[in-house]
Amino acid sequence: AQSVTQLDSHVSVSEGTPVLLRCNYSSSYSPSLFWYVQHPNKGLQLLLKYTSAATLVKGINGFEAEFKKSETSFHLTKPSAHMSDAAEYFCVAPTQTGANNLFFGTGTRLTVIP
Amino acid sequence: NAGVTQTPKFQVLKTGQSMTLQCAQDMNHEYMSWYRQDPGMGLRLIHYSVGAGITDQGEVPNGYNVSRSTTEDFPLRLLSAAPSQTSVYFCASSYSIIGTAANYGYTFGSGTRLTVV
Repeated sequence: AQSVTQLDSHVSVSEGTPVLLRCNYSSSYSPSLFWYVQHPNKGLQLLLKYTSAATLVKGINGFEAEFKKSETSFHLTKPSAHMSDAAEYFCVAPTQTGANNLFFGTGTRLTVIP
Repeated sequence: NAGVTQTPKFQVLKTGQSMTLQCAQDMNHEYMSWYRQDPGMGLRLIHYSVGAGITDQGEVPNGYNVSRSTTEDFPLRLLSAAPSQTSVYFCASSYSIIGTAANYGYTFGSGTRLTVV
């Protein structure tokens, strides 16, 4: 089964500086991976997904993630943080248990300092 | 608007009370699921269903019941609420072809914030 580990529970950046949110995965085969975002008191929105088509995945709002098999990583990046990026971010993988269940990382809260 | 609708948005219960969280989707998705979100723990799967009449347990099913009599609806029942069930609950739906969550993705409801006192 797949699982993911988010390495930071909280990341703080200044507006206009790069964002890096780290996620490692464990899987015995090439996984599918997602990043979801949750703004305060809101539901979850899909940022981007990796499905083996390309290792660099571009998502919404200028975010992208790179799948690195050698490092078992799927880190989320953005060149320049905006105040509206302040949210909680989840790295997610299908559990591959025979249904469409998802395994969520514990989340990274991103704070953007003006 | 197409999507997943959860009701109520907020609820306060007393210990021992029962209630049902409602979830409805209008996308003809076969797969539906319930997650709970607790601080520092991400989202954890409670129950899921791959079609009408079929349900199964997830990671944290104790204290919750579900049924799926129609494709559209997937209610979550708390039979005797406990303070440990204070959480935010999310319902999600997807096409149900096994292993294709990556292709079709999920649609989440906006959540129900439940407090048990």
